[in-house]
Amino acid sequence: GAVVSQHPSRVICKSGTSVKIECRSLDFQATTMFWYRQFPKQSLMLMATSNEGSKATYEQGVEKDKFLINHASLTLSTLTVTSAHPEDSSFYICSARRDRGRVNTEAFFGQGTRLTVV
Amino acid sequence: LAKTTQPISMDSYEGQEVNITCSHNNIATNDYITWYQQFPSQGPRFIIQGYKTKVTNEVASLFIPADRKSSTLSLPRVSLSDTAVYYCLVGDRGSTLGRLYFGRGTQLTVWP
Repeated sequence: GAVVSQHPSRVICKSGTSVKIECRSLDFQATTMFWYRQFPKQSLMLMATSNEGSKATYEQGVEKDKFLINHASLTLSTLTVTSAHPEDSSFYICSARRDRGRVNTEAFFGQGTRLTVV
Repeated sequence: LAKTTQPISMDSYEGQEVNITCSHNNIATNDYITWYQQFPSQGPRFIIQGYKTKVTNEVASLFIPADRKSSTLSLPRVSLSDTAVYYCLVGDRGSTLGRLYFGRGTQLTVWP
């Protein structure tokens, strides 16, 4: 099946620094990718939709200046957590759909990135 | 977007068949039903998708009644490795946006 890869899988950073997470679709093109956040024992929360060549669309309540999204190519989207604080510690997951015109296929998810801010 | 309701948790023993039912009373005409599986500290994995009646693949079956207000994921002969959270999602497959909103999911625990 299609593969979506995230990097890094784990990262620890100091409070106030920024962290970049990469999401790549390895064997298909994805005009649209999605970023989720998941806290322990909770469900995935959609943060934003990453659109290749244009601005990301953020869900209500998600700070666009704090979670910077760049989708520079058809296979790569990045999420940068700026000025990270301990409350940003979470499991971040990306997903991508294979481009097939107007009909969407199933979404493929990356393995997730565990961010710990100390 | 159609809201889904699933049991929070289920328990089973190895070798048994497990059926997880999801309610989606407000499902729209264009909506498909998709199930995902998630293990701890991993991204969700696609299991099965359907629109109506029955869909079967190598890992599961999906039963959807005529009114489509609910669906049942059937896992035959579960093993310990099937212990995971299972999510039922409903969405417009024809949408160019294709966003997925996850509900609480069902924690399935398989015992030896």
